[in-house]
Amino acid sequence: KAGVTQTPRYLIKTRGQQVTLSCSPISGHRSVSWYQQTPGQGLQFLFEYFSETQRNKGNFPGRFSGRQFSNSRSEMNVSTLELGDSALYLCASSLDTSDYEQYFGPGTRLTVT
Amino acid sequence: DQQVKQNSPSLSVQEGRISILNCDYTNSMFDYFLWYKKYPAEGPTFLISISSIKDKNEDGRFTVFLNKSAKHLSLHIVPSQPGDSAVYFCAASARGNTGKLIFGQGTTLQVKP
Repeated sequence: KAGVTQTPRYLIKTRGQQVTLSCSPISGHRSVSWYQQTPGQGLQFLFEYFSETQRNKGNFPGRFSGRQFSNSRSEMNVSTLELGDSALYLCASSLDTSDYEQYFGPGTRLTVT
Repeated sequence: DQQVKQNSPSLSVQEGRISILNCDYTNSMFDYFLWYKKYPAEGPTFLISISSIKDKNEDGRFTVFLNKSAKHLSLHIVPSQPGDSAVYFCAASARGNTGKLIFGQGTTLQVKP
């Protein structure tokens, strides 16, 4: 069974631009969560989607948003990029909302210049 | 307020010996705990987990121990192998928030041949 896939793997953007990252969960998994990893803050929860609905949201500004499609694929968007948004963005999937175990994709490395 | 803490940033052990990685938490609502292993530029890989109703879970060379009264868990790797060298993250989740993992800062394990 294929794992979680994320595209693109690497991205360079300029301050003020916006970016969209994509995540395809493991086949059969319906819950998708997003995390940001930075050297200073570690791994921080962004949001979780299940059945096309945001179920949970972390402590990030409104510039960070996401959505989930009917096939469980998910996208996250960051608008008006700031230098501090440079990070590894990780997507994780799990079977459903009763499943604690999450399986991560390889991440998208975003660099904001 | 860091709810999950890994107080040792690094650990070095000899091949064949035991590696013990520690994790403390503060939130008594956490009822499920997970350990992930991470290599640079890759997503975290799920290793082993434990529910709060148990005090031990074993999977091959990996054993996780949970002490609820002390709000402490540990991961034992026996015997340690050079391929175990990576960053290990402890994570916790609460019932009703299964899609939201709270991570510790990670411990870098180096296993020397």
